[in-house]
Amino acid sequence: AQSVTQLGSHVSVSEGALVLLRCNYSSSVPPYLFWYVQYPNQGLQLLLKYTSAATLVKGINGFEAEFKKSETSFHLTKPSAHMSDAAEYFCAVSPSSNTGKLIFGQGTTLQVKP
Amino acid sequence: SAVISQKPSRDICQRGTSLTIQCQVDSQVTMMFWYRQQPGQSLTLIATANQGSEATYESGFVIDKFPISRPNLTFSTLTVSNMSPEDSSIYLCSARSTGYEQFFGPGTRLTVL
Repeated sequence: AQSVTQLGSHVSVSEGALVLLRCNYSSSVPPYLFWYVQYPNQGLQLLLKYTSAATLVKGINGFEAEFKKSETSFHLTKPSAHMSDAAEYFCAVSPSSNTGKLIFGQGTTLQVKP
Repeated sequence: SAVISQKPSRDICQRGTSLTIQCQVDSQVTMMFWYRQQPGQSLTLIATANQGSEATYESGFVIDKFPISRPNLTFSTLTVSNMSPEDSSIYLCSARSTGYEQFFGPGTRLTVL
């Protein structure tokens, strides 16, 4: 069965520091991968997606992620954290384009310290 | 992208009652989904709302508890029936169009007393 593991339920960085949020997936077929962000009391906003094109994907708000098939990883990075990046981040996999289902990781809370 | 709205945004309900949540998309979409997000947790797919036919439920979710309608390509409802405090969650609607990504509504925050 397909699954997503996000390493670290809480990550704390200083403003201006590198952000690295880890995501590993398990899928028997080439997956579609996504990162979403959820700000307090809001729905989910798509940050970026991987759909078998370029392995380095750029998203909104300066975030990017690299698909590494050999490591079954799709880690999210941002060179310099802003206070406004504090939120909950979810990695998700869609194992099949036919069903459209998304399987979510447990989420990582990003704290940005001044 | 698709813009999705949900009504109500939040509600406080008594146990044993039912609540119907509405989801409206601003354009026609191929797929619509309903998720549950329990306090402090991730999202779990409840069902895929199929236009003109019965919804497809995930393991652990049944139609009697979570009846879903999807009368057209832009609208769906989720009913949470015979509620108990364990149903207190955020319920999110999402939609997928021609791309692979899903767009989410703002969620309905349900508290059951």
